[in-house]
Amino acid sequence: EAGVTQFPSHSVIEKGQTVTLRCDPISGHDNLYWYRRVMGKEIKFLLHFVKESKQDESGMPNNRFLAERTGGTYSTLKVQPAELEDSGVYFCASSQEPSWETQYFGPGTRLLVL
Amino acid sequence: QKEVEQNSGPLSVPEGAIASLNCTYSDRGSQSFFWYRQYSGKSPELIMSIYSNGDKEDGRFTAQLNKASQYVSLLIRDSQPSDSATYLCAVRERGGDDKIIFGKGTRLHILP
Repeated sequence: EAGVTQFPSHSVIEKGQTVTLRCDPISGHDNLYWYRRVMGKEIKFLLHFVKESKQDESGMPNNRFLAERTGGTYSTLKVQPAELEDSGVYFCASSQEPSWETQYFGPGTRLLVL
Repeated sequence: QKEVEQNSGPLSVPEGAIASLNCTYSDRGSQSFFWYRQYSGKSPELIMSIYSNGDKEDGRFTAQLNKASQYVSLLIRDSQPSDSATYLCAVRERGGDDKIIFGKGTRLHILP
């Protein structure tokens, strides 16, 4: 069974540009999570989808971040416009119901904003 | 602000010895506790979960939980060079729908 996949693995953009990150969860996993790790800090929760609905988006830093999960399959996280402080590793994770069980993490997207 | 605290390390342990990793958390009502292992440049991988006070053993790994002291630990027996990684402590928020709070992680280095 394929794990959680993320694309791209790395992205280098300039301040003010737009970047879209993609996450494909494990097939059949209704729960999808986005996390971010800024250098030197802990991994922080961004938001949680249950199927296509946003269950909790309390961790989204500001309105420059937009997450979608149309159709309840893959998810995208768009940053527009990107700022220097957005640099970090963005992880996606997915889990089956009940959603308190193991979250399987993807390999992450390393974003560098110059 | 709910927090999970870990010593960043690096913690150096001779091969074959016991590695002891510690974590404290601020939310007294937390119920679920996890240890993740993360190799450099890789994704976090769950290695242990613990929900009740006491010890939970899985192979060379033992998780210990003391809710009164708000303390979680991970012991790795017979440490191997392949255990060298960053170990992340994570706590599931009380009443939260599944939000997990992570510590910054402890870097463990097993000396051959």
